[in-house]
Amino acid sequence: KNEVEQSPQNLTAQEGEFITINCSYSVGISALHWLQQHPGGGIVSLFMLSSGKKKHGRLIATINIQEKHSSLHITASHPRDSAVYICAVLGNSNYQLIWGAGTKLIIKP
Amino acid sequence: NAGVTQTPKFQVLKTGQSMTLQCAQDMNHNSMYWYRQDPGMGLRLIYYSASEGTTDKGEVPNGYNVSRLNKREFSLRLESAAPSQTSVYFCASSEGHYNEQFFGPGTRLTVL
Repeated sequence: KNEVEQSPQNLTAQEGEFITINCSYSVGISALHWLQQHPGGGIVSLFMLSSGKKKHGRLIATINIQEKHSSLHITASHPRDSAVYICAVLGNSNYQLIWGAGTKLIIKP
Repeated sequence: NAGVTQTPKFQVLKTGQSMTLQCAQDMNHNSMYWYRQDPGMGLRLIYYSASEGTTDKGEVPNGYNVSRLNKREFSLRLESAAPSQTSVYFCASSEGHYNEQFFGPGTRLTVL
């Protein structure tokens, strides 16, 4: 079993829909990252959080440490949000990020 | 600020050839990383450098060597390329291990 699981693997939605991507992990962590990988391949860090909730524009990330679960929400989705969204956790025991496999999101106009 | 830069963007090698992938950051970050990404898979850490003068193995270090030349630059060397090393290579940097990572644009390497 992977230490970081994302769901769904693929998600197709219509423009304007509210999007939720989930990340569950099985190890103790010091922080969790959400990143976005564009179709062209570039990787951008969206959030790093260790508790609670963060918001940036239409993106919201939450984490529940007790349940070992995080969600990334996109409000008023737009075709330009189409990308792969990756969850990665920084374990307590070393400095290496443990990466999820990613969620491929397609927003149709 | 250029952020994290990588050269080259694309490279084709024959089996057994050697090459060095270059990475530089201008954010005065302490930590730097090399990852590979294979189709349909997540990123895997090859090597990292917590600070200038130190390097450590990641998840998949076999077949690679690294050099932290100074605080700005972190290079990845393939001594004898193999087809299994065909991948996209990303360099990243962060202020420290507990900070967000900033990624370069990637190098697409094909080994024939």
